[in-house]
Amino acid sequence: EAQVTQNPRYLITVTGKKLTVTCSQNMNHEYMSWYRQDPGLGLRQIYYSMNVEATDKGDVPEGYKVSRKEKRNFPLILESPSPNQTSLYFCASSLGPTGRGRTDTQYFGPGTRLTVL
Amino acid sequence: SQKIEQNSEALNIQEGKTATLTCNYTNYSPAYLQWYRQDPGRGPVFLLLIRENEKEKRKERLKVTFDTTLKQSLFHITASQPADSATYLCALPFQTGANNLFFGTGTRLTVIP
Repeated sequence: EAQVTQNPRYLITVTGKKLTVTCSQNMNHEYMSWYRQDPGLGLRQIYYSMNVEATDKGDVPEGYKVSRKEKRNFPLILESPSPNQTSLYFCASSLGPTGRGRTDTQYFGPGTRLTVL
Repeated sequence: SQKIEQNSEALNIQEGKTATLTCNYTNYSPAYLQWYRQDPGRGPVFLLLIRENEKEKRKERLKVTFDTTLKQSLFHITASQPADSATYLCALPFQTGANNLFFGTGTRLTVIP
């Protein structure tokens, strides 16, 4: 089954304790992205990757890191989490970059609900 | 900068009626617009895409229109059912810079039996 998986689905942690949220897709998609979703603010892009070893900042990258060493995996790293990073996080992938002139739809993972105390 | 507005946070309608959701955007002319459905605690799921040269697109009970003059898209669900209750998001491609979609905050639709 074609899908995007994320782990963990739920995580409660404390300020400053490094964590990694994993994301994997089995569709051989080039493009992957991380979003956070907050009430009233909608989905906001954190980082995206156009292919292996090619990543760039989205709208709200502060406090996050990513890496893309393999095509299928795109982990999100919070080196020193803070309470304002409490949010619902989604990983997404698409066949190619969903920019002007392209119409590749995005496939989202099930989400990771993170609480930072 | 680009701005997307979806008409209301929440919309309640009676089962069997047509639900109409609005997505307005400003400051640029996207090549296409997408609509997604999101159920509570789950990731958005793609529903429909409409291009700038298309006036209307249909899929089963769903219909999307795209008025590039008004900078508006309407999303209709005909013969609505309680199972249609969800949050619906519109999304536009970025004009420049990051290659990705820019999402509205969504409209939460509740279909009352």
